[in-house]
Amino acid sequence: NAGVTQTPKFQVLKTGQSMTLQCAQDMNHEYMSWYRQDPGMGLRLIHYSVGAGITDQGEVPNGYNVSRSTTEDFPLRLLSAAPSQTSVYFCASSQTDFSYNSPLHFGNGTRLTVT
Amino acid sequence: TQLLEQSPQFLSIQEGENLTVYCNSSSVFSSLQWYRQEPGEGPVLLVTVVTGGEVKKLKRLTFQFGDARKDSSLHITAAQPGDTGLYLCAGAENNNDMRFGAGTRLTVKP
Repeated sequence: NAGVTQTPKFQVLKTGQSMTLQCAQDMNHEYMSWYRQDPGMGLRLIHYSVGAGITDQGEVPNGYNVSRSTTEDFPLRLLSAAPSQTSVYFCASSQTDFSYNSPLHFGNGTRLTVT
Repeated sequence: TQLLEQSPQFLSIQEGENLTVYCNSSSVFSSLQWYRQEPGEGPVLLVTVVTGGEVKKLKRLTFQFGDARKDSSLHITAAQPGDTGLYLCAGAENNNDMRFGAGTRLTVKP
């Protein structure tokens, strides 16, 4: 099983450039989310989606856009990259929302550097 | 300040030693989850604790959920180098928002 697949694994951007981080899951999970992981700060939620066509903001949404046109895919867009967005980005999915204590399944991350 | 505070932040021990790491919050959670993350990979679920006072064992790992459902601990007996990694606790702020602690980075030396 592929699980949650993220691409690319590494990316270097210049300030002001745009890019899309891709995330796909093959488990038919309804819930998908994006986190960023920074040293000493743990994982912080950027955006999440509870199903196709539905997205909402998490703890740190500024500078990022998402869309969910299919159950499988949940891309994260950086419209104008800033050095503060240098981080490791993780996509995660869950069978349902957390009312049933569903665990999160994570991809292996995208390491982004903005110069 | 983080919703979930983990301690210690770093822990380096010799193979065979025992250790305990902690996850504390001022908020009450319906459940807490523990994840383990290795370099270059995403976190992987170890356990979910649901009932206050609950104790769950996973081989040499023992997880406890506080009676008030605000804190949890992870105890490892006779640590091995394969236990090296970042241990993260997580709790759902609401049905759609899973919050993570900053983690305890454990190194077990042979």
